[in-house]
Amino acid sequence: GAGVSQSPSNKVTEKGKDVELRCDPISGHTALYWYRQSLGQGLEFLIYFQGNSAPDKSGLPSDRFSAERTGGSVSTLTIQRTQQEDSAVYLCASSSQQGSQETQYFGPGTRLLVL
Amino acid sequence: AQSVTQLDSQVPVFEEAPVELRCNYSSSVSVYLFWYVQYPNQGLQLLLKYLSGSTLVKDINGFEAEFNKSQTSFHLRKPSVHISDTAEYFCAVRTSGGSYIPTFGRGTSLIVHP
Repeated sequence: GAGVSQSPSNKVTEKGKDVELRCDPISGHTALYWYRQSLGQGLEFLIYFQGNSAPDKSGLPSDRFSAERTGGSVSTLTIQRTQQEDSAVYLCASSSQQGSQETQYFGPGTRLLVL
Repeated sequence: AQSVTQLDSQVPVFEEAPVELRCNYSSSVSVYLFWYVQYPNQGLQLLLKYLSGSTLVKDINGFEAEFNKSQTSFHLRKPSVHISDTAEYFCAVRTSGGSYIPTFGRGTSLIVHP
């Protein structure tokens, strides 16, 4: 079956522009996570959605970052007024239900380069 | 709060040699532990996980990891590596009764030389 997909796979933008990154989770998965992976760093948690509950936004680094999840499925991560330090790989993951035992399934990521 | 330490950022090894990738965690509560692998230009894939029961977990490709509560470790081992094992390996921890958000280590780059 289809896994987690992300688009675009690569994005080059100019400093100050806004970007939107999309994540399509596995069908039926209620939990969705966004992470940021910078060169040589681990995964930095950004935001977590679970069903219809209010998202956990505790990892968002600034108010330039926001995310939404429409209809409990597709999610969009928006970065406004991009800065060079936003350059990273943005990974999305989904899991089947709420519970810390559940395996996360990751998408291939979007590589963002801010010039 | 929990944390994960992967002491080795890079581990070079020759093909068919054994390897151990180290992972230590800290947590005040019970944890679930995971190893993920990331091949070049791909997302992370689950390799192994410890939830409960036997402290030694294995996968079909020869990787194994052992949960050691007293040493708060979950080291990953393989007795004989292949070129195709070259990848980034991430250790992750989640608390068993609290936040569903895992904490990841910084990753260890396994480089297998012919």
